[in-house]
Amino acid sequence: EPEVTQTPSHQVTQMGQEVILRCVPISNHLYFYWYRQILGQKVEFLVSFYNNEISEKSEIFDDQFSVERPDGSNFTLKIRSTKLEDSAMYFCASRTGETQYFGPGTRLLVL
Amino acid sequence: QKEVEQDPGPLSVPEGAIVSLNCTYSNSAFQYFMWYRQYSRKGPELLMYTYSSGNKEDGRFTAQVDKSSKYISLFIRDSQPSDSATYLCATGYPGFQKLVFGTGTRLLVSP
Repeated sequence: EPEVTQTPSHQVTQMGQEVILRCVPISNHLYFYWYRQILGQKVEFLVSFYNNEISEKSEIFDDQFSVERPDGSNFTLKIRSTKLEDSAMYFCASRTGETQYFGPGTRLLVL
Repeated sequence: QKEVEQDPGPLSVPEGAIVSLNCTYSNSAFQYFMWYRQYSRKGPELLMYTYSSGNKEDGRFTAQVDKSSKYISLFIRDSQPSDSATYLCATGYPGFQKLVFGTGTRLLVSP
């Protein structure tokens, strides 16, 4: 069964550093999403992406965040200058019909 | 008022019990309702999806939506220890961009 994959599974970085989180959505899905989950809190929407552009973003998704689909398979989330409060689990999802399928997540720890 | 409210639990039941998990939502614009299961440190896994009031059944799982009272439920029959996980309710708008999640209810099924 096809699934969303994410790399790396864990990432530790220093505050102020740039990180890129990678996702491979399910092939033939056209809508892509990033969510995050701070430890012990709920899953929160960050951004949705369709037809090579952002279709919706949350107030969390400020100028330090960007997304890109650099080729036909990868979907990336870049955090330009990480802050301590960016420490969270980041989930990628892709959609067909009304159903979003989530990847296993990248655990980001900012020190 | 939170958009989606869910009792965080934990909810502890013996194996074989019927489990009832519930959420309320505040915005009548929500038209799509999902239940996801999340094991510790893993991504959300879709269990059930519905967009209309009434019941939807899939094996041991039944999702119920009451749009008049903005109340959604998930029933698990003959619960198993492998059902021990956090159950997330989620809602979506027409046009279906972001999902809005509840905090999740942690379920523990003891043998």
